[in-house]
Amino acid sequence: SQTIHQWPATLVQPVGSPLSLECTVEGTSNPNLYWYRQAAGRGLQLLFYSVGIGQISSEVPQNLSASRPQDRQFILSSKKLLLSDSGFYLCAWSVRSFVNYGYTFGSGTRLTVV
Amino acid sequence: AQSVTQLDSQVPVFEEAPVELRCNYSSSVSVYLFWYVQYPNQGLQLLLKYLSGSTLVKGINGFEAEFNKSQTSFHLRKPSVHISDTAEYFCAVSVPQAAGNKLTFGGGTRVLVKP
Repeated sequence: SQTIHQWPATLVQPVGSPLSLECTVEGTSNPNLYWYRQAAGRGLQLLFYSVGIGQISSEVPQNLSASRPQDRQFILSSKKLLLSDSGFYLCAWSVRSFVNYGYTFGSGTRLTVV
Repeated sequence: AQSVTQLDSQVPVFEEAPVELRCNYSSSVSVYLFWYVQYPNQGLQLLLKYLSGSTLVKGINGFEAEFNKSQTSFHLRKPSVHISDTAEYFCAVSVPQAAGNKLTFGGGTRVLVKP
């Protein structure tokens, strides 16, 4: 069966520090991968998505970047965190090649920038 | 581009009462529609989806939703809620065959079930 792992679950980082969040998928090949952010009291904002290794599409200009070094690995990074980067970050995957059956989400990382 | 509006940010409801969560979307092309549920500090779980066919869709945990193309709505209903239904609910749309199968979410509706 397919599973998605996201870590860490909770993170407190000082302003100006770097960030690396990792997401891996098991039990599927060639997935579409996504990073969403959920700020307090707001909906989900798509940050990045990837349809293949090394292929990253950015939806929102910001202080973050994403990379996909392997087929089932998706990394969210920042060189210098801002207070506004605080939020709940969710990784998700979907099947790529045909009708959209929705996403499978990871359990999320709650990031607090202090 | 597509957009999703969830008309109620919070819905308080008593246990065993019915609940309806409203969702309207905007799109110039046909879309797929989804409802997700998020329990505190967890990821999202798929409740149900509409791809085509019957406009009444049944999902998990006793939820159902009705697609209304003329009103561009996809409202979620449950005839009798439980305390365990306390969560945040998200409506989402995607465009068939679009690059990346991107989902656009609404702002969410928090449901608080009271005893």
